[in-house]
Amino acid sequence: GQNIDQPTEMTATEGAIVQINCTYQTSGFNGLFWYQQHAGEAPTFLSYNVLDGLEEKGRFSSFLSRSKGYSYLLLKELQMKDSASYLCAVRDADYKLSFGAGTTVTVRA
Amino acid sequence: IAGITQAPTSQILAAGRRMTLRCTQDMRHNAMYWYRQDLGLGLRLIHYSNTAGTTGKGEVPDGYSVSRANTDDFPLTLASAVPSQTSVYFCASSEGGGAGEQFFGPGTRLTVL
Repeated sequence: GQNIDQPTEMTATEGAIVQINCTYQTSGFNGLFWYQQHAGEAPTFLSYNVLDGLEEKGRFSSFLSRSKGYSYLLLKELQMKDSASYLCAVRDADYKLSFGAGTTVTVRA
Repeated sequence: IAGITQAPTSQILAAGRRMTLRCTQDMRHNAMYWYRQDLGLGLRLIHYSNTAGTTGKGEVPDGYSVSRANTDDFPLTLASAVPSQTSVYFCASSEGGGAGEQFFGPGTRLTVL
């Protein structure tokens, strides 16, 4: 199985940078995903890492270290619309996802 | 239809009643999934199907059943609802038997009294 930990809440100021950490223990690793979920809505895909290193997509970047069981999602130039929950999910060898409980990010003006 | 649809959007159900949550996708994805999302626990996998005609159990399958008669539809049935099944239910799909990212439906908010 998977054990996935991420902080419950984070607060940041508009225009700032926030880093959301995710640590995991897994019995079979086949990739790590980050999803964004606004209140009352469905999760939407943000990023995917399967190899070590940094993946950049506009204002969002995601990093993976498989040896350390560690990933982070970096949100730059924060905007009010970035206020949401961010879900870390680990995929196993059978392509099933296990999700962390999510990190609620609040962006303040 | 574009993407994944779920029905109903919300439902209040008496304990002991049978309920089927519907999920339909038009992306021709092979793999489909049912999750429940509870405050503080995140998304938990109930059942999944890697391709039409096959299903498997996830982390929390008890009290739920699924079927996958065709590629597009993946209904979730609660045979006899209990209050602990009060949750938000999300259906998802992915291409390549699960190799791709998962796309989520809008969710069904279920309350069992």
